[in-house]
Amino acid sequence: QQQVKQSPQSLIVQKGGISIINCAYENTAFDYFPWYQQFPGKGPALLIAIRPDVSEKKEGRFTISFNKSAKQFSLHIMDSQPGDSATYFCAAKTNFGNEKLTFGTGTRLTIIP
Amino acid sequence: NAGVTQTPKFRVLKTGQSMTLLCAQDMNHEYMYWYRQDPGMGLRLIHYSVGEGTTAKGEVPDGYNVSRLKKQNFLLGLESAAPSQTSVYFCASSYYSSETQYFGPGTRLLVL
Repeated sequence: QQQVKQSPQSLIVQKGGISIINCAYENTAFDYFPWYQQFPGKGPALLIAIRPDVSEKKEGRFTISFNKSAKQFSLHIMDSQPGDSATYFCAAKTNFGNEKLTFGTGTRLTIIP
Repeated sequence: NAGVTQTPKFRVLKTGQSMTLLCAQDMNHEYMYWYRQDPGMGLRLIHYSVGEGTTAKGEVPDGYNVSRLKKQNFLLGLESAAPSQTSVYFCASSYYSSETQYFGPGTRLLVL
């Protein structure tokens, strides 16, 4: 049973464009939603995260939009650059304990010139 | 400060062989995790530990065992490797009071 569904599986965006990756969840006990970025041959690293008490969080060119009623959240990358080419994972954690993250299946993003 | 390190980086096993993957962290983190990453399936939690001497099952624990004898180390064992265990294995760690997980560089395992 996949608790966090991520789409698309792969995405190609032109340089300077907006990249959008979507995630949906079912468990209403989730209260922390991070995005991890993974470059080839490396481990994932935290990119940005949000809690459900806000609808949007922005850090530089990266923005998380959160829709609590729809149980969906998305990552927007503005002015996408070739260096943003990576695999992106959304994840979620429940509000009891800090132990476990549930990850989405990942999106391979390629930024073309 | 090396962060999270994993040994070995790459290994080829024959079906039925055993091996141990080592994870070490120098950040004094209480929590440690083992994940496997397969194409189209994301990161799936195998086992995790919330402190020295403790372990717990994750989403896909069958065929694996773990031990956390020292706070800084988390070992993942495969007693009898199977081709289905061909994967990239990632270790991660975190503070008990923080949701951020710090990942190692991964171990690529091929089981023939």
